[in-house]
Amino acid sequence: GQNIDQPTEMTATEGAIVQINCTYQTSGFNGLFWYQQHAGEAPTFLSYNVLDGLEEKGRFSSFLSRSKGYSYLLLKELQMKDSASYLCAVRGTSGTYKYIFGTGTRLKVLA
Amino acid sequence: DGGITQSPKYLFRKEGQNVTLSCEQNLNHDAMYWYRQDPGQGLRLIYYSQIVNDFQKGDIAEGYSVSREKKESFPLTVTSAQKNPTAFYLCASSIDRERGKAFFGQGTRLTVV
Repeated sequence: GQNIDQPTEMTATEGAIVQINCTYQTSGFNGLFWYQQHAGEAPTFLSYNVLDGLEEKGRFSSFLSRSKGYSYLLLKELQMKDSASYLCAVRGTSGTYKYIFGTGTRLKVLA
Repeated sequence: DGGITQSPKYLFRKEGQNVTLSCEQNLNHDAMYWYRQDPGQGLRLIYYSQIVNDFQKGDIAEGYSVSREKKESFPLTVTSAQKNPTAFYLCASSIDRERGKAFFGQGTRLTVV
């Protein structure tokens, strides 16, 4: 079957660093995506990994290990506006190519 | 500016009525998707289309129908057969069936009373 697992909720303090993990089991692999979603709004794209390793983009970094079916999103210098849900998604192959989303991790940033 | 537009943002319907949600994109993307999101849950795929005049059922297609007559448009009809239609509906598109990230519309919150 196809499955993506993320923690349901995390809490961190303003200015701190937080790591959100994602493990996946999918039919084929054509990239892993991280999205940010504020309550009642559409998801917005944060990062994309298709090869193993770390991708850095400002305060956000994402890591991928394809052999372990594992990724994480690292948020540095947390700000109150980072309070949101973070969705991990995998794009499959083998004729489907659809995006499969995890349930999302709700991050609360405290002052 | 290029983008993907969903309308309306909020929609109220009486139980038993069909309702159609609009999704239009001017990004020249081949692939389009419809997702449903319920409180505290992730995105579940309803239907997707990888090219004009072709579409496939996702994981929760029962009670929904779609069409893809034009590249730019992928409307979703929520029929009276959908048992629990109240939800947040998201339309997305990607450049083609293999490459690229998904771009999302603003979403439509459907409430059936």
